[in-house]
Amino acid sequence: AQSVSQHNHHVILSEAASLELGCNYSYGGTVNLFWYVQYPGQHLQLLLKYFSGDPLVKGIKGFEAEFIKSKFSFNLRKPSVQWSDTAEYFCAVTVTGGGNKLTFGTGTQLKVEL
Amino acid sequence: ETGVTQSPTHLIKTRGQQVTLRCSSQSGHNTVSWYQQALGQGPQFIFQYYREEENGRGNFPPRFSGLQFPNYSSELNVNALELDDSALYLCASSRTSGGAIYEQFFGPGTRLTVL
Repeated sequence: AQSVSQHNHHVILSEAASLELGCNYSYGGTVNLFWYVQYPGQHLQLLLKYFSGDPLVKGIKGFEAEFIKSKFSFNLRKPSVQWSDTAEYFCAVTVTGGGNKLTFGTGTQLKVEL
Repeated sequence: ETGVTQSPTHLIKTRGQQVTLRCSSQSGHNTVSWYQQALGQGPQFIFQYYREEENGRGNFPPRFSGLQFPNYSSELNVNALELDDSALYLCASSRTSGGAIYEQFFGPGTRLTVL
């Protein structure tokens, strides 16, 4: 069965700092990768997704992620964070042929300070 | 807003009771998935419904069951509630067509507390 690891559980940054959140998955086959965000008091929203093609994907609000197949990684990046980026971030994966079942990591709580 | 709605928003039950949670999927979607999110954890897949039948199940006991209706809305039922069932229950709707993968859109969740 596939699994997802997010290494940073809590991250605190100052506004304008750069962000990189780690995500690794374990599965030997073809995967589809997602980053979801949960702002305080709001529902889970999709930030970006990778199905195939260019391994560098761009999402909403200036976020991007790079799929590195050899490292089984899909790290999330943003060059300059804002206070409004304070939220919990979840990496998730579905596997081809495994139905549309999302397997999530445990999440990273990001706090951006003014 | 995703167009996925869930009811109720909050629910308090006692051990041994039964609970039913409801989800209305987004227009144009025919698949509903349910997830359990315990405090401090990522969502865990419970099961998925497509064409009114269970289409995949996670590592949850049979006392977790579900239904999907012809209008694609869905219910999650949990019998014999245990304290560990306290969690946020998330519903996600998506489109299934010819095996292609489409993104899932999540509702706001139902917060269940078992005392």
